[in-house]
Amino acid sequence: EADIYQTPRYLVIGTGKKITLECSQTMGHDKMYWYQQDPGMELHLIHYSYGVNSTEKGDLSSESTVSRIRTEHFPLTLESARPSHTSQYLCASSERGNQPQHFGDGTRLSIL
Amino acid sequence: GEDVEQSLFLSVREGDSSVINCTYTDSSSTYLYWYKQEPGAGLQLLTYIFSNMDMKQDQRLTVLLNKKDKHLSLRIADTQTGDSAIYFCAEKGMASGTYKYIFGTGTRLKVLA
Repeated sequence: EADIYQTPRYLVIGTGKKITLECSQTMGHDKMYWYQQDPGMELHLIHYSYGVNSTEKGDLSSESTVSRIRTEHFPLTLESARPSHTSQYLCASSERGNQPQHFGDGTRLSIL
Repeated sequence: GEDVEQSLFLSVREGDSSVINCTYTDSSSTYLYWYKQEPGAGLQLLTYIFSNMDMKQDQRLTVLLNKKDKHLSLRIADTQTGDSAIYFCAEKGMASGTYKYIFGTGTRLKVLA
């Protein structure tokens, strides 16, 4: 069983607030990813990281930012939340090479 | 660019077999993956197959790979109501770069009691 954790599971918050979504994994994986997914729809890669101090933007433009100061931790931050940010955010990690990604349970974010 | 396609819906009766199909365009695909997503949850890795294999079986799950036609299928034997979920096919190959996993849009499996 993969050990990747996301908090909070659900967040309802007002427009303009700063939000940080947490993602941690205990598997020592170098690669970590953030996806945005509207319920039941396709996944869109918004950020990824190859390792500590390495972060890149994904395919879908996002106003969020990420950091990777420790191998196990890959938080995502929205400086000023807007209703258009309402979605589910999924964090994943993988070993090197083509090993499969392992996903957290996601954070369902609603901006009022 | 690289693409992975799946049919959107599949409905089967409890106890029957389900077959979920997937096609992909990247001929350099090295690994192909199947994930299951239940409502409100993340993606759960079900199984994956290396591109030099034709078939992989894991309990009720059978994966068939036809590299020539770039076609992947997931067969679920004795389908149960708990199998109702969205199933995502994904691939990773040289064309997609070192970081990118290409996902299909998901097939919604509904199991009728």
